[in-house]
Amino acid sequence: AQSVSQHNHHVILSEAASLELGCNYSYGGTVNLFWYVQYPGQHLQLLLKYFSGDPLVKGIKGFEAEFIKSKFSFNLRKPSVQWSDTAEYFCAVNAEGSGTYKYIFGTGTRLKVLA
Amino acid sequence: GAVVSQHPSWVICKSGTSVKIECRSLDFQATTMFWYRQFPKQSLMLMATSNEGSKATYEQGVEKDKFLINHASLTLSTLTVTSAHPEDSSFYICSARVPYRDGELFFGEGSRLTVL
Repeated sequence: AQSVSQHNHHVILSEAASLELGCNYSYGGTVNLFWYVQYPGQHLQLLLKYFSGDPLVKGIKGFEAEFIKSKFSFNLRKPSVQWSDTAEYFCAVNAEGSGTYKYIFGTGTRLKVLA
Repeated sequence: GAVVSQHPSWVICKSGTSVKIECRSLDFQATTMFWYRQFPKQSLMLMATSNEGSKATYEQGVEKDKFLINHASLTLSTLTVTSAHPEDSSFYICSARVPYRDGELFFGEGSRLTVL
């Protein structure tokens, strides 16, 4: 069965600090990978996604993620965080060719950026 | 972008009653919708996949007689929590896969259910 692990449950950073949130998945086949963000009081929304091609994916608001197949990882990064990045971040995996569009989510990482 | 709307945003009910939550795709047709449950400080747990015109596919451990899902049209899926108990109190979120957005899921606002 697929699973997704996010190792950092709570992260507190000062503005301008660099961010890296870890995401590892377990599935032996081809996967589609996503990072979603939930700002306080808002819907979950897509930050970025990886289907194929360049393993370094750029998303909205200056976020990027790198797919490392050998490590089953899809870590999220941002060089310089802002106060407005305070939110909860979820990594998600969809097994390609599974015949289903099921998405499995990680436990989420709550990021607080101090002004 | 695609919009998914959920209603109600929050509901309080007495133990033993049933509660219906609606999930609508406002500007696209959703053949597949997903229902998630989110516990405090935990991830989104997939409950079931709702398929238009057919029975929902439930995840292991989710009682289909307890959580009734109906996807009668391409823009509406409903989740009915039957004979609700306090342990059913949770945050329920629906999402829809948008075919023309390359597999991206769009989420509803979520519905917070409190069972007294």
